[in-house]
Order: sequence, then C-alpha cells, then structure tokens
Amino acid sequence: DQQVKQNSPSLSVQEGRISILNCDYTNSMFDYFLWYKKYPAEGPTFLISISSIKDKNEDGRFTVFLNKSAKHLSLHIVPSQPGDSAVYFCAASAFAGTYKYIFGTGTRLKVLA
Amino acid sequence: EAEVAQSPRYKITEKSQAVAFWCDPISGHATLYWYRQILGQGPELLVQFQDESVVDDSQLPKDRFSAERLKGVDSTLKIQPAELGDSAMYLCASSFGNQETQYFGPGTRLLVL
Repeated sequence: DQQVKQNSPSLSVQEGRISILNCDYTNSMFDYFLWYKKYPAEGPTFLISISSIKDKNEDGRFTVFLNKSAKHLSLHIVPSQPGDSAVYFCAASAFAGTYKYIFGTGTRLKVLA
Repeated sequence: EAEVAQSPRYKITEKSQAVAFWCDPISGHATLYWYRQILGQGPELLVQFQDESVVDDSQLPKDRFSAERLKGVDSTLKIQPAELGDSAMYLCASSFGNQETQYFGPGTRLLVL
C-alpha cells in the first residue's frame, strides 16, 4: 500500500512557464513534508519543506502548497529553467520521536528551452 | 558547504560476494540514515542511527545486511552475500538531531552480476 503517490511519472514544460508537480498521501498522521530534486547518478537535493500547520511555503522560485483536507501537496516552480530538469520526489513523515519519511516514486520534469 | 560523503560511488560485484559501503555524515549530525533506491522508485529506509545506536532497522534484511556506526560518526553498510535483487542505489543521509530535514550523499550504485 503506497502511502505517498506521485501519479505523474513525467512532465514537460516550456522554459519560463510554471511547473506544477503533485503529490498525494493517504496517512492523515503525516505532519511534515519535503521535496527533493534528483539528477542522474547523484543523491537527492533538498528543495523545500512544509509543516502541516501551514498551507504554503515559499523559497525563491519554489512554492509548496498543502491541502490537508484533500491530502494533497504540490510544488510550483516559477519560472521554470532548463536546469530544473530532474526527478522530483515528495516525502512525508509522521513525527513519532523521530522523522521517518515515506517517499513517492518521483516525477521526471523536463524543461524545454 | 558541508556535504554527506559516500564511497565508493560505483560497485560491481558477483552474486554471493560481500560488499561494503561507507558514509560520513555532515559534521555534527547525530542522526544517520541508509536508504535503498531501486530504479523507478523512491528511496526506502533501511536503517536509522541516532549517534551509535540503531533507532529503526525494521526494513533491513538482517539475514544478509548489516550496518554499524561504532563511534557515532561514520557508518558502514554491508551486504553478505549479495544477490541479483540487491542491485540499486544505496543512499546515506544525515540530519541534525531530530530536525526535519535530511541531507543526502551522492549514493553508491551497486550492480550485482
């Protein structure tokens, strides 16, 4: 049973436009969420996080939105750049003395020049 | 900028052989994680250390996998004997205490022939 789902395996966006990556989860106890970017043959790089007490968090071109009632979060990248082309993973955790993250399967973003 | 170090970056071995991976977390990070990422999937936690103690190894196949962090700093993950299905990327991550964000190393890509 996959608790964190990224239903779009791939996404293509034109340079300068908005990229929207989606993530759904099933466990209502999840209270902290992370987004990572991963280039081939490299480890995931932390992008942005959000706590369940917020519904939005911004960092430069990256904004994460959380809809707790729908158990859905999304990552917006504006404007998209060719260097953003990578695989993006969302991860969710329910704090129980420590953070144990469940990762989605990833969405491959391709930004076209 | 401090980074998580891992070695080797690539490892090719034959089934039934022993392999070992090394990880040096970001200085001062007490919590260390080993993940396995199979192609097309998200990272899955194998084992989590707090200092030198194992916090969670529920997903570690203990018949063939072992992990240690003897002095609470660097860590070694061992597989003996390796099986074809162990081919994957092995990722190490660390975090400062129980802080939410985990920082990943570049990973070790293992191919078992």
